[in-house]
Amino acid sequence: RKEVEQDPGPFNVPEGATVAFNCTYSNSASQSFFWYRQDCRKEPKLLMSVYSSGNEDGRFTAQLNRASQYISLLIRDSKLSDSATYLCVVNTLLSGGYNKLIFGAGTRLAVHP
Amino acid sequence: ETGVTQSPTHLIKTRGQQVTLRCSSQSGHNTVSWYQQALGQGPQFIFQYYREEENGRGNFPPRFSGLQFPNYSSELNVNALELDDSALYLCASSLDPLSTDTQYFGPGTRLTVL
Repeated sequence: RKEVEQDPGPFNVPEGATVAFNCTYSNSASQSFFWYRQDCRKEPKLLMSVYSSGNEDGRFTAQLNRASQYISLLIRDSKLSDSATYLCVVNTLLSGGYNKLIFGAGTRLAVHP
Repeated sequence: ETGVTQSPTHLIKTRGQQVTLRCSSQSGHNTVSWYQQALGQGPQFIFQYYREEENGRGNFPPRFSGLQFPNYSSELNVNALELDDSALYLCASSLDPLSTDTQYFGPGTRLTVL
């Protein structure tokens, strides 16, 4: 089982649609959670951190459920510029005394006119 | 921009050769992690450096090695290159090894092994 699993995608949606991405993680000791966005052949860029209380940034809403080890990202009113790969990322403290980021494989989103 | 820089941007090598990739971390960050991202996959953790020592390592063979310098910049060295080493190599800096904050990525080095 992969440590972080995401919807395989791709998601093809029209402009203005609402799209939801789901992610699960296997290590209950994971400490912090993020969604990154990655454009084609570019580096991942932080989209938002994810908190148990839920957090919103404009059209983007992220949610964390620690009990079910589940993370979600909701994008409302999709824009053409939202087309990218969305990576679910978990920061886990390991026994060696360091944190490492564990990435899902990513879900590709294509927004069309 | 994150303030993390990497060089070179692109590199083409042949099987069996050796390569060195470089990374300068964000100001104030003393920890550098390296990741390999193969096509269609998420980045995979290679190793982390803190205070000039390897602090943690993922499932990569010993031919992947690194260095960190007193100014916190870092190098990734790969010996005996294989075709499967073709990937985007990302470095990321963070405040310290125990930071639960995010890590900040450089633009990556795209390595092609022929």
